[in-house]
Amino acid sequence: GQQLNQSPQSMFIQEGEDVSMNCTSSSIFNTWLWYKQDPGEGPVLLIALYKAGELTSNGRLTAQFGITRKDSFLNISASIPSDVGIYFCAGQLIDTGNQFYFGTGTSLTVIP
Amino acid sequence: ETGVTQTPRHLVMGMTNKKSLKCEQHLGHNAMYWYKQSAKKPLELMFVYNFKEQTENNSVPSRFSPECPNSSHLFLHLHTLQPEDSALYLCASSQGPAGSYEQYFGPGTRLTVT
Repeated sequence: GQQLNQSPQSMFIQEGEDVSMNCTSSSIFNTWLWYKQDPGEGPVLLIALYKAGELTSNGRLTAQFGITRKDSFLNISASIPSDVGIYFCAGQLIDTGNQFYFGTGTSLTVIP
Repeated sequence: ETGVTQTPRHLVMGMTNKKSLKCEQHLGHNAMYWYKQSAKKPLELMFVYNFKEQTENNSVPSRFSPECPNSSHLFLHLHTLQPEDSALYLCASSQGPAGSYEQYFGPGTRLTVT
């Protein structure tokens, strides 16, 4: 299957700091999604992106659809303890029946 | 609360048991999915149903048997599982033709095979 390289794998930051993570692939995607998963729960959709170059915000979260269509970025500003969790990217390919592929996740720890 | 519910939330079963996982979506969606989530691995798509018809089976062993009686309900029947099948099983649904819209996940069933 398709490989989405998500980085970093884990982050330990102080409360109040900004966070950046990204997802890259060798394939071209037509949709990017970002999810957050808390322990023992399913992933919750944060942001959906549909066009190259698109920049979309959801509160303190901002995500961008890379102009090459092969990557996407998620930024969290002024982190708070409840931001702790695992963040997943998911990309939808144009030429494989529109299946979504998922990254391996970025584990975020916020230190109060 | 995402509008997708799964039961049971936790399941422990022996390798000779037969059990079923249930998923229900309250979002009016037309497509439903089963995923397997193992530690340190990306989500693995198992099955896709679009308007109750199975449209995808990602080379899943026959010991996993899906059933979709209507667009709101999805089951995963389990029999003679192996310890390596222990994982979090996630159900998801989406609005349009399978794969064309963002997917909403249930809380998952944590399965342990002993």
